[in-house]
Amino acid sequence: GAGVSQSPSNKVTEKGKDVELRCDPISGHTALYWYRQSLGQGLEFLIYFQGNSAPDKSGLPSDRFSAERTGGSVSTLTIQRTQQEDSAVYLCASSARTGGALMLSPLHFGNGTRLTVT
Amino acid sequence: AQSVTQLDSHVSVSEGTPVLLRCNYSSSYSPSLFWYVQHPNKGLQLLLKYTSAATLVKGINGFEAEFKKSETSFHLTKPSAHMSDAAEYFCVVSSEYGNKLVFGAGTILRVKS
Repeated sequence: GAGVSQSPSNKVTEKGKDVELRCDPISGHTALYWYRQSLGQGLEFLIYFQGNSAPDKSGLPSDRFSAERTGGSVSTLTIQRTQQEDSAVYLCASSARTGGALMLSPLHFGNGTRLTVT
Repeated sequence: AQSVTQLDSHVSVSEGTPVLLRCNYSSSYSPSLFWYVQHPNKGLQLLLKYTSAATLVKGINGFEAEFKKSETSFHLTKPSAHMSDAAEYFCVVSSEYGNKLVFGAGTILRVKS
């Protein structure tokens, strides 16, 4: 079946512009995550949505970053007034978490959006 | 808080020789541990996971990892490397309530013919 889909796959933007990154999770997956992978760094947690619960935003690096998930499905990550340090691959993942912990419901990752801020 | 340290940023092996990718973790509770693999221009894929059952965990493509609590390690091994194993590998620990994953910095595995 279809996996996690992210768009665009590549985005080049000028410093100071806003960008929106989109994630379509696997159908029926209630948990959705955004991670960021910078060159030479590990994956950095950004935000987590689980069903109708309030999202865990503890990983967002600044108030320029925000995310929403409409109807419990598609999610958009918005970066306002982009800076060069925002350049990274932004990864979305979903899981069929049904109340148990991640050990029971592995994450399925999309291929990511490569963001370059010039 | 939990953390993961992957001891080698790059590992290079010859095809047909053993692979060892090292990972140490720090956690104040009994963790769940994972290895993910990312092939070039592909998404992340789960290789294997440890969830407090057997300490030796077998994954896909002939990989396995052993949880050693006394050494706080979860090293990834494979008896014989294949060219298709060339990728970046991430050691991962879950947060206490299982809702977040903390990733190591990654190890790039190169396989020489």
